[in-house]
Amino acid sequence: QVQLQESGPGLVKPSQTLSLTCTVSGGSINSGSYHWSWIRQPAGKGLEWIGRIYSTGRTYYNPSLKSRVTISGDTSKNQFSLKLTSVTAADTAVYYCARDGILCSGTTCYTDTFDRWGQGTLVTVSS
Amino acid sequence: DIQLTQSPSFLSASVGDRVTITCRASQAITNFLAWYQQKPGRAPKLLIFAASTLQSGVPSRFSGSGSGTEFTLTISSLQPEDFATYYCQQLNSYPPVTFGQGTRLEIK
Repeated sequence: QVQLQESGPGLVKPSQTLSLTCTVSGGSINSGSYHWSWIRQPAGKGLEWIGRIYSTGRTYYNPSLKSRVTISGDTSKNQFSLKLTSVTAADTAVYYCARDGILCSGTTCYTDTFDRWGQGTLVTVSS
Repeated sequence: DIQLTQSPSFLSASVGDRVTITCRASQAITNFLAWYQQKPGRAPKLLIFAASTLQSGVPSRFSGSGSGTEFTLTISSLQPEDFATYYCQQLNSYPPVTFGQGTRLEIK
């Protein structure tokens, strides 16, 4: 059973860089069968997809955050990471890492659906 | 970006009730839609993908339907553990993947 666990500082100062790591156990991030995403949720609000990394290392980012986001992978540690630069209070949120599963219905298979999630980690941006 | 609008935003219901939540997309997404359940302090849980396919392990009282721009999530007989917030998500067009704003289901 694949498990994901986020780690990183819970408090970041404005204008600094938020850095989080997701450790994956029970499966390899190198597997071509899955992609790996970061998603965030401000308190009391909805979900915002930040971006994903493929097993090849290719990345896609939410255009609204693209200029500030970098997602990278470390296959030796089976981890992937998020860096978000120039943070403000608006970046305060629970950050989740998630697996983009490949799920099949009939003869059609669907990606970009999040079938495994970490427990989430709260990051507060404050001086 | 494709916008998803859920209705209602808040729903009060009783155990045993049948409830339906609607998700409307700003443009056609065929059946590239998923539904998630989120309980307070927990990560979302995938319930349905491909608009109507139940994820493994999800009780059969949950069902999804729709295609194009209008989709529904139905819970046939509410159980106490079903009181949560529900989100739809489109996967037809990205980046970015987008979610609806959520429907909070509370006990009447």
